Amino acid sequence: DTEVTQTPKHLVMGMTNKKSLKCEQHMGHRAMYWYKQKAKKPPELMFVYSYEKLSINESVPSRFSPECPNSSLLNLHLHALQPEDSALYLCASRRQGSYEQYFGPGTRLTVT
Amino acid sequence: GIQVEQSPPDLILQEGANSTLRCNFSDSVNNLQWFHQNPWGQLINLFYIPSGTKQNGRLSATTVATERYSLLYISSSQTTDSGVYFCAVGGLTGGGNKLTFGTGTQLKVEL
Repeated sequence: DTEVTQTPKHLVMGMTNKKSLKCEQHMGHRAMYWYKQKAKKPPELMFVYSYEKLSINESVPSRFSPECPNSSLLNLHLHALQPEDSALYLCASRRQGSYEQYFGPGTRLTVT
Repeated sequence: GIQVEQSPPDLILQEGANSTLRCNFSDSVNNLQWFHQNPWGQLINLFYIPSGTKQNGRLSATTVATERYSLLYISSSQTTDSGVYFCAVGGLTGGGNKLTFGTGTQLKVEL
């Protein structure tokens, strides 16, 4: 089983709102990732968590705040976003002993 | 950082045709994956292939790590093969964690 789930599927939020994206995997993977994909562009890495600790932050603005409360769950807290932050946000996980990453279906975010 | 180039950027095929997609990368890698992104945005794993050759049904892939390229072969294409194909690599310095995606090949298969 290589399933990563993400909720919600779609999200529309205003620039003053606070919202959160959620990602779950129950495969025992200990590395989890957030990627951002703008329309007609490839995904770009935002954050990497390894054993529930933030190991890579690709200079992402502080209005994006990741959290890994346990080994199965990854959140991305959003606050004071800009319209240019509208994108598909993808979560991925990686099993031990392999570099292969598995992606969730994504959350399509629109900031108005 | 590592650079990843894919070609061709766009490809239109008639159903039943064969095609080859190419991925060139600028440095040594310990991770190379091919994905198919469907119209709903889901990235589907096709191959994990940092070196060697693999086959899965009508698809096969070859990575020549010493020459820094990978090829994805699609045979007897079907309309359901339409979508964007991405090559993504993880360089040695990132410990394989930092996947860098190519710009993709947009494939359309017509009847």
